Amino acid sequence: EAGVAQSPRYKIIEKRQSVAFWCNPISGHATLYWYQQILGQGPKLLIQFQNNGVVDDSQLPKDRFSAERLKGVDSTLKIQPAKLEDSAVYLCASSLVVLGGQNNEQFFGPGTRLTVL
Amino acid sequence: KNEVEQSPQNLTAQEGEFITINCSYSVGISALHWLQQHPGGGIVSLFMLSSGKKKHGRLIATINIQEKHSSLHITASHPRDSAVYICAVRGVSNFGNEKLTFGTGTRLTIIP
Repeated sequence: EAGVAQSPRYKIIEKRQSVAFWCNPISGHATLYWYQQILGQGPKLLIQFQNNGVVDDSQLPKDRFSAERLKGVDSTLKIQPAKLEDSAVYLCASSLVVLGGQNNEQFFGPGTRLTVL
Repeated sequence: KNEVEQSPQNLTAQEGEFITINCSYSVGISALHWLQQHPGGGIVSLFMLSSGKKKHGRLIATINIQEKHSSLHITASHPRDSAVYICAVRGVSNFGNEKLTFGTGTRLTIIP
């Protein structure tokens, strides 16, 4: 079974530029997560999708970050404009959610390492 | 105070030593995860626990729900075990899609 795919793996941009990350979850996984992991910290949830709907985006800085999952499969996360403090690893994860089920395991992609200069 | 606390933050040990990493949490949970993160960023799920103990190869994970505490043990440690180990807890809901809250990780280095 193919895992969660992310691209690019690395990106270096200057502040105030725009950047986009792409994620392809495991086939059939309804739930998709985007996390931000700043160096030395644990991942922080930015946004969670259930199919193509947003479940939780309470920690997404909406003035500069946006995400979409139009067809309920692939997702893109965009930052516009980027700031120095956005330098981090951006992780995508997916899980197979069965309504009424519990403890669905999340599978993580390799991450995109963003450096903002 | 973070909802999920790990200790130690950094651990260096000789090859072959028995390793223990601890995780304490302060919220009600439906499950606790232990994750491994190698340089380069990718995360691999090691265990998902809601009670008791699980074993996989040289890795053992335990959880005490009453004390809100979990431990990850590595027996006969090897340099390839060097990685960041992250504890994450899953909240409680009716749908199984609750978000994970992560600890800051324990950086383990095993010296040959």
